[in-house]
Amino acid sequence: GQSLEQPSEVTAVEGAIVQINCTYQTSGFYGLSWYQQHDGGAPTFLSYNALDGLEETGRFSSFLSRSDSYGYLLLQELQMKDSASYFCAVRDTGGFKTIFGAGTRLFVKA
Amino acid sequence: NAGVTQTPKFQVLKTGQSMTLQCAQDMNHEYMSWYRQDPGMGLRLIHYSVGAGITDQGEVPNGYNVSRSTTEDFPLRLLSAAPSQTSVYFCASSYGGAGVHNEQFFGPGTRLTVL
Repeated sequence: GQSLEQPSEVTAVEGAIVQINCTYQTSGFYGLSWYQQHDGGAPTFLSYNALDGLEETGRFSSFLSRSDSYGYLLLQELQMKDSASYFCAVRDTGGFKTIFGAGTRLFVKA
Repeated sequence: NAGVTQTPKFQVLKTGQSMTLQCAQDMNHEYMSWYRQDPGMGLRLIHYSVGAGITDQGEVPNGYNVSRSTTEDFPLRLLSAAPSQTSVYFCASSYGGAGVHNEQFFGPGTRLTVL
């Protein structure tokens, strides 16, 4: 089976940096993705890591350590619009199924 | 491109009724999936398809049926609605293929209430 763990809530101040962690347990692994979802909206893709290391996309970066079954999403220069839920997701070995974590609710304060 | 479309946006059913949630994509994606989202539980995979004529079960398939007769459409059928199926349903599609990161594109969701 597959399971992912991430914190339920994180609060940070506008302009700060925040890290959202994700640990996973899978029978196979094909990559770790991150999605953002605003209240009432649909999830949207942020980043993907198939190999160990850091991927950077603007203010967002994502890191993966396959040996530790661990990854994180790093958000820099936080803005109020970053207040949303963030989900990590794992593709299984065949790449056919994507399983999501329960999500981390990020609150950005002024 | 319209992307991924879902209909209806909202639906109220009575226990025991059946209905079909529609999902269509115009990106020629091979992979399509149905998820349900309940408060505090993230997205749970119901069924998925890797191409026309091929479907398989996800994490929570009971009470739902799917079919994939064309690349574009992937309807989800509730056989006999139960209050436990009250949820927000999202359809998603992705290109798939080996070595591709499989970014999923989500539809706007269907908000279903079963009384």
